Amino acid sequence: NAGVTQTPKFQVLKTGQSMTLQCAQDMNHNSMYWYRQDPGMGLRLIYYSASEGTTDKGEVPNGYNVSRLNKREFSLRLESAAPSQTSVYFCASSEGLQGFSPLHFGNGTRLTVT
Amino acid sequence: DAKTTQPPSMDCAEGRAANLPCNHSTISGNEYVYWYRQIHSQGPQYIIHGLKNNETNEMASLIITEDRKSSTLILPHATLRDTAVYYCIVRAYTGTASKLTFGTGTRLQVTL
Repeated sequence: NAGVTQTPKFQVLKTGQSMTLQCAQDMNHNSMYWYRQDPGMGLRLIYYSASEGTTDKGEVPNGYNVSRLNKREFSLRLESAAPSQTSVYFCASSEGLQGFSPLHFGNGTRLTVT
Repeated sequence: DAKTTQPPSMDCAEGRAANLPCNHSTISGNEYVYWYRQIHSQGPQYIIHGLKNNETNEMASLIITEDRKSSTLILPHATLRDTAVYYCIVRAYTGTASKLTFGTGTRLQVTL
């Protein structure tokens, strides 16, 4: 059981380049999330998808777009990367927003923008 | 969401109990206390959560004071693999319960 899988694990971009971070979960979860983590800081929510077909902004959405491709997959796109987007990106999923269900996290994508 | 305060770091000898405190003096009646941990740059891992009663599972125990203004996560027999950053989060148990805000946490170092 893989849980939450993120690809790629590492990526280096130049300023202005674009890329898509991929996330897939095999737990049949309804909700999925993208967080970023910067050195010395906690995790900050970028976007989330409560269920297939819906997406909403989190705390720090500027510079990002997301796509809930299907129930399993939730991608994060950087259209024009900036050095301020250098960070570790975590995808997470949970059963849903109805009642408590813990977040299950992937192991992250480490992105450097030069 | 209620704000939490945790010590930035703590040490614990292997085999001893690790007691990680968290202050949440502005907690509301419908807000739960959640604990997650993050082991060396892996994704965070759920540990336990509670409202006002003490809770125990296979990983840890959660003790919440009667006035609910603080709580303590207890790892009864810490091992080196428990070295991690521990996050205390307070959030209402609503339809958006999973939109958790992570602070900077407590870095627990378990030593021989």
